[in-house]
Amino acid sequence: AQSVSQHNHHVILSEAASLELGCNYSYGGTVNLFWYVQYPGQHLQLLLKYFSGDPLVKGIKGFEAEFIKSKFSFNLRKPSVQWSDTAEYFCAVNPNSGAGSYQLTFGKGTKLSVIP
Amino acid sequence: GAVVSQHPSWVICKSGTSVKIECRSLDFQATTMFWYRQFPKQSLMLMATSNEGSKATYEQGVEKDKFLINHASLTLSTLTVTSAHPEDSSFYICSAGSGVRSGRGEQFFGPGTRLTVL
Repeated sequence: AQSVSQHNHHVILSEAASLELGCNYSYGGTVNLFWYVQYPGQHLQLLLKYFSGDPLVKGIKGFEAEFIKSKFSFNLRKPSVQWSDTAEYFCAVNPNSGAGSYQLTFGKGTKLSVIP
Repeated sequence: GAVVSQHPSWVICKSGTSVKIECRSLDFQATTMFWYRQFPKQSLMLMATSNEGSKATYEQGVEKDKFLINHASLTLSTLTVTSAHPEDSSFYICSAGSGVRSGRGEQFFGPGTRLTVL
């Protein structure tokens, strides 16, 4: 079965610092990749997604992620974080095995705390 | 668009009672809905996948007789926790996907339901 690893459990940054959250997955086939964010007290929201094409994808709120197939990685980045980025971030993988492939496997999440 | 609601947002019940949680897709038809459980400081664990009009598919280790899932329409799925016990206390989250969107794994999440069993 596939698994998703997020390397950092809790990241603490000052405002304007750059962010990179690691995500690695184990699955030999083609995958669809997602980053979700969960702000305090709110539900999961999609930040960005990768299906195919340009491996550098841009999402909402200035986030981007790069798919590196050879490294089985999909790291999330933001050049300058804001206090409002304080949230929990989840990487998720969907095996792209054709029609009817719906399920997501989530990483354990990374809590980001941004200090004003 | 793609809004998913859950009701109730929180519930407290006595041990031994049953609790029903509703998940609705408000502005699209969800052919597939998913139920997750989230423990504190942990990731979402998929409990089951339900397709409209058919029986839910449960993940290994999830008791189907305890967690009853009904996906009777394209906009509504329910999760009933039967004979709830304190160890069932958790945050339950549903998500929904359309026939086109969810085929690529894109899911839209509800706000979750906090269940506390006394």
